[in-house]
Amino acid sequence: DAMVIQNPRYQVTQFGKPVTLSCSQTLNHNVMYWYQQKSSQAPKLLFHYYDKDFNNEADTPDNFQSRRPNTSFCFLDIRSPGLGDAAMYLCATSMVKAGGGYGETQYFGPGTRLLVL
Amino acid sequence: QQQVKQSPQSLIVQKGGISIINCAYENTAFDYFPWYQQFPGKGPALLIAIRPDVSEKKEGRFTISFNKSAKQFSLHIMDSQPGDSATYFCAAPRGGADGLTFGKGTHLIIQP
Repeated sequence: DAMVIQNPRYQVTQFGKPVTLSCSQTLNHNVMYWYQQKSSQAPKLLFHYYDKDFNNEADTPDNFQSRRPNTSFCFLDIRSPGLGDAAMYLCATSMVKAGGGYGETQYFGPGTRLLVL
Repeated sequence: QQQVKQSPQSLIVQKGGISIINCAYENTAFDYFPWYQQFPGKGPALLIAIRPDVSEKKEGRFTISFNKSAKQFSLHIMDSQPGDSATYFCAAPRGGADGLTFGKGTHLIIQP
């Protein structure tokens, strides 16, 4: 089945130790998103790639970076995790038609729960 | 930027009852409004979505009612079941590829 896959499902890291979360998709969608979701809160968009174009949200800390080496894969790098970065990180994909218009359906992966010790 | 206001924050409904969650939005430029269902420890899953050409969409026990003039839309869950206990998010598009902005979520509990 076509899907959005995230690895690992659980990640434990130490304060200040870089960590990378990965996302892959078999949907061949042109847009990939990274969201941060803290307990009992809505997902918060960190950034997205529209094909190879990176789009950062204005309030995303510099500590968060992303890479998209090809259509199928996207990575979230946290350079120096702090205790406040403990959260669920969600990857989502969408197929957006040229010219924009209506928002398109987003398909979410299962998430990676990050714990910072 | 599109803002979405969702209510109530939490909701308890008896099994077999009707669960109703409401959302209000600000910008009428983009009219695609999905509802996502999220179980603990899982990613959000698209439940049902509506576009502006209809005022109501029904899929099984789930119905979206859309009031364009009032800029409101709501989710109705008929014959609510314990398995429906989850967090529900409404959302609205930010435009183009900029993704969705989510409501704050409603924690729904269906009591047996």
